[in-house]
Amino acid sequence: DGGITQSPKYLFRKEGQNVTLSCEQNLNHDAMYWYRQDPGQGLRLIYYSQIVNDFQKGDIAEGYSVSREKKESFPLTVTSAQKNPTAFYLCASSFRMGASSNQPQHFGDGTRLSIL
Amino acid sequence: EDQVTQSPEALRLQEGESSSLNCSYTVSGLRGLFWYRQDPGKGPEFLFTLYSAGEEKEKERLKATLTKKESFLHITAPKPEDSATYLCAVQRGGGSQGNLIFGKGTKLSVKP
Repeated sequence: DGGITQSPKYLFRKEGQNVTLSCEQNLNHDAMYWYRQDPGQGLRLIYYSQIVNDFQKGDIAEGYSVSREKKESFPLTVTSAQKNPTAFYLCASSFRMGASSNQPQHFGDGTRLSIL
Repeated sequence: EDQVTQSPEALRLQEGESSSLNCSYTVSGLRGLFWYRQDPGKGPEFLFTLYSAGEEKEKERLKATLTKKESFLHITAPKPEDSATYLCAVQRGGGSQGNLIFGKGTKLSVKP
């Protein structure tokens, strides 16, 4: 079955540590996204990528980094510079947005990151 | 400033009691409005896309409608399995092509 796989489901970070969240999709989607979800808040966009080897900052990119070396993969690194990393992280993908297309984003089941 | 507001924050219904969820938005160059369902500990599941005022989409007990300023998600004769958080998102136009702005969601509980 096609879908988006996020791993791990739960992740713990120590002070001063960088951690990487995995996101893989087999939907042949061009675009991939990372969101952060906090209790009582809407999803907020961290980074997005429309094509391989290209990505842009979203609304809350500080303290995060990404890479897009393969179409299927879009890992997110939460760096030690992110002082409040505890949240539910969601990866999404879609066909590439065009001037006349409105493609829905499809989501993985998330990674919950906590501070030790 | 682009904004999406959902109301109510929480809604409790008895099984079979129909109701509506609201999503009001202010965004420059709306290119689409999306409804998602999210179960606890899971990612959002896509339900509907609406593109223009007057458009309606239906799926089982759910019906989504769109005006120039808001969207409604009507739930007819809900069942306990409809309990979830329903998210609304609008797609920005312009330089942020394709990016979504999400509301905070409405948590729906349906009691048997």
